[in-house]
Amino acid sequence: EAQVTQNPRYLITVTGKKLTVTCSQNMNHEYMSWYRQDPGLGLRQIYYSMNVEVTDKGDVPEGYKVSRKEKRNFPLILESPSPNQTSLYFCASSLTSGSADTQYFGPGTRLTVL
Amino acid sequence: AQKITQTQPGMFVQEKEAVTLDCTYDTSDQSYGLFWYKQPSSGEMIFLIYQGSYDEQNATEGRYSLNFQKARKSANLVISASQLGDSAMYFCAMREGVYTGRRALTFGSGTRLQVQP
Repeated sequence: EAQVTQNPRYLITVTGKKLTVTCSQNMNHEYMSWYRQDPGLGLRQIYYSMNVEVTDKGDVPEGYKVSRKEKRNFPLILESPSPNQTSLYFCASSLTSGSADTQYFGPGTRLTVL
Repeated sequence: AQKITQTQPGMFVQEKEAVTLDCTYDTSDQSYGLFWYKQPSSGEMIFLIYQGSYDEQNATEGRYSLNFQKARKSANLVISASQLGDSAMYFCAMREGVYTGRRALTFGSGTRLQVQP
């Protein structure tokens, strides 16, 4: 089944404790992206990747890191999480970065930073 | 200026009736894509339907259709024969072409649809 998977689905952590949210897609997509969704602010892009070893900042990159060493995986790293990073996080992928290509989303990761 | 505007924060519809969710957009690109996503209370983001800026026909996917009026920059979602399972948040989104290197989706604020029995 074609899908985007994220782990963990739910995470409660404490300020400053490094964490990684994994994202994997099995559709051989070139483009991958991370979004966060917050009430009143909607969905905002954190980082994106056009292909392996090609990543760049989105709208809200502060406090986050990413890497794209393999085409299928695009982990999101929070080196020192803070309470303002409490949010619902989505990984998404599309075949290419073209405007006609649908971005398919993972199931989401609900992160709470205490 | 907002790139995607959804003016209906909430909508009610009776089961089996049709409902239209409004979406207007703003872009100077000639090439762009318009998407609708459904977010049920469980939180996942489900792709529903896509319309390309050069498509002359309105997109349809089962009970979903997109009423695309390019000159008015609107891309309304029509759900026919509503079902209780259609109760969810619905987001209109746009993916621009040339000028936005990030190729991100820009989302509207969403419309919460509640289907009543």
